[in-house]
Amino acid sequence: DTAVSQTPKYLVTQMGNDKSIKCEQNLGHDTMYWYKQDSKKFLKIMFSYNNKELIINETVPNRFSPKSPDKAHLNLHINSLELGDSAVYFCASSQVDNEQFFGPGTRLTVL
Amino acid sequence: GNSVTQMEGPVTLSEEAFLTINCTYTATGYPSLFWYVQYPGEGLQLLLKATKADDKGSNKGFEATYRKETTSFHLEKGSVQVSDSAVYFCALSDQWGSQGNLIFGKGTKLSVKP
Repeated sequence: DTAVSQTPKYLVTQMGNDKSIKCEQNLGHDTMYWYKQDSKKFLKIMFSYNNKELIINETVPNRFSPKSPDKAHLNLHINSLELGDSAVYFCASSQVDNEQFFGPGTRLTVL
Repeated sequence: GNSVTQMEGPVTLSEEAFLTINCTYTATGYPSLFWYVQYPGEGLQLLLKATKADDKGSNKGFEATYRKETTSFHLEKGSVQVSDSAVYFCALSDQWGSQGNLIFGKGTKLSVKP
């Protein structure tokens, strides 16, 4: 059974479009995260949600908006996509001791 | 603020060679320390962890010891295999429980040649 799943796996779109990436975890964890991994493999946290409440909001543009309908889901919506948004986006979840379980990633390419 | 510094890659080794990937950290308090591995085309997986000073994390032949005096958490393996080729990330968490935040190093790419 997949613990943390993301859809889609690949997303290719034009500049200016709006797109969403979905994430679901079946581990019963309270906290979910979104990370961005750039072309040099550098990972940076974007958002974290604990029990449907935002607890970390790093300095990302407000074109990015996380939405958590329940604690098993954390979706990422991106408005007005830009070239620099091209990256791999990872969802993760955790419970205790901050051991995080990652999804397979969504490769976003903005043309 | 808290940070993690890893040795720059890529690292290229022959099969059965000894591996060390250096990791040092800067943190206030008593962070937990982690090594994550990312195989090609996949997400990150926890490789090992240590939650307090002098703890040794180990998994799949990899080891790392939490050294508070040198603020280090170096990853070692005695004999690498081709299947160990991946990107390795050192990370720290500065809070206990699920409301913390992981801070990652920049990753070290390891290539193992047969």
